[in-house]
Amino acid sequence: EIVLTQSPATLSLSPGERATLSCRASQSVSSFLAWYQQKPGQAPRLLMYDASNRAPGIPARFSGSGSGTDFTLTISSLEPEDFAVYYCQQRSSWPPTFGGGTKVEIK
Amino acid sequence: EVQLVESGGGLVQPGGSLRLSCAASGFIFSTYAMSWVRQAPGKGLEWVSTISGSGDASNYADSVRGRFTISRDNSKNTLYLQMKSLRAEDTAVYHCVKEKLWLVDYWGQGTLVTVSS
Repeated sequence: EIVLTQSPATLSLSPGERATLSCRASQSVSSFLAWYQQKPGQAPRLLMYDASNRAPGIPARFSGSGSGTDFTLTISSLEPEDFAVYYCQQRSSWPPTFGGGTKVEIK
Repeated sequence: EVQLVESGGGLVQPGGSLRLSCAASGFIFSTYAMSWVRQAPGKGLEWVSTISGSGDASNYADSVRGRFTISRDNSKNTLYLQMKSLRAEDTAVYHCVKEKLWLVDYWGQGTLVTVSS
């Protein structure tokens, strides 16, 4: 199965700062990479799909890039509601797998 | 509005069985593949099983294959997960998800399964 490695595990930033999250796949997943946001006590929410496409209703401050094995989720200017855990997920091959998550916390 | 409401979780002893249900509404249930994704307490996400819209095809993670069975009743808009030979490592919140080609667009809130003696 494809292993996804997210870095860093924790990102400590202040509101208004730029956040850059990384996801690396153990083999190519083409562009079949999604990002989800999860807040405490809630189910995850789809943010990005196919590496660079925002899901409906997701603000433009979220952007995604990459292909093959290296992917990035960028939040251009952190809002208070953006502090959460972010997971990447590949859907290139069975089983779909998730990364271990990056927690974006308030500095 | 899409709604996915899981039920059936609880405390079960190792080796025991449990059946989870997921009541779906707000979309044409029979036209979408559905899946179960679990999250162990304080841990990440693991895809457990997927079933096609018609119910004639399914797949499982290696960790549950042979022990779990996914099924659906399209007349009742309900997804199921029959879990047998449960282990401590199966302890998790089990989310019912609506997906297309393994991309999840809606998640249920989940039901907690605790395997412990």
